[in-house]
Amino acid sequence: DSGVTQTPKHLITATGQRVTLRCSPRSGDLSVYWYQQSLDQGLQFLIQYYNGEERAKGNILERFSAQQFPDLHSELNLSSLELGDSALYFCASSTRSYGYTFGSGTRLTVV
Amino acid sequence: DAKTTQPNSMESNEEEPVHLPCNHSTISGTDYIHWYRQLPSQGPEYVIHGLTSNVNNRMASLAIAEDRKSSTLILHRATLRDAAVYYCILRDTGNQFYFGTGTSLTVIP
Repeated sequence: DSGVTQTPKHLITATGQRVTLRCSPRSGDLSVYWYQQSLDQGLQFLIQYYNGEERAKGNILERFSAQQFPDLHSELNLSSLELGDSALYFCASSTRSYGYTFGSGTRLTVV
Repeated sequence: DAKTTQPNSMESNEEEPVHLPCNHSTISGTDYIHWYRQLPSQGPEYVIHGLTSNVNNRMASLAIAEDRKSSTLILHRATLRDAAVYYCILRDTGNQFYFGTGTSLTVIP
């Protein structure tokens, strides 16, 4: 157990639908990062939050959004889903002085 | 985002040392060099990081060239559980990690 909790582990949904992925960071970590990993591809940085505020955006589609709540958990919202959105979505958390701790991911399948 | 270059794949025999190279010729003076690995169907796992000096921990060693334009991750005795994709990453001023394609390590029994 890395200390970063992601739910659900698996999600199957239809095209056009909306889903929410949840991440609870490691205790004490203020930063949360979201990554997307499609089949046979590397990890694409999507977005970072720090203590409730958006800090940086990467290759995140306009159909995707995220937020970080006062208790520091974060949610990634994916809407108008397309087949190409099928991927593993990872959340990571960090402190300033160390690297990332990743969760075990949510596998999203869009059918 | 800072760039790194790694071989796509490498093989090693079990219980032999493995040297995984990484080139980062555009590294800035404040960039830390981080290594992560990803086992199949798992999230990436921290391996080691360093700035200028060589570093050792229970998992591996990191050798950094004097000019910092390259580094090498050393696994002293490869085991089957070390088979993974290894990512060499420079941490930029924005604090995000940009992952490349990494090196897929195969360990041969």
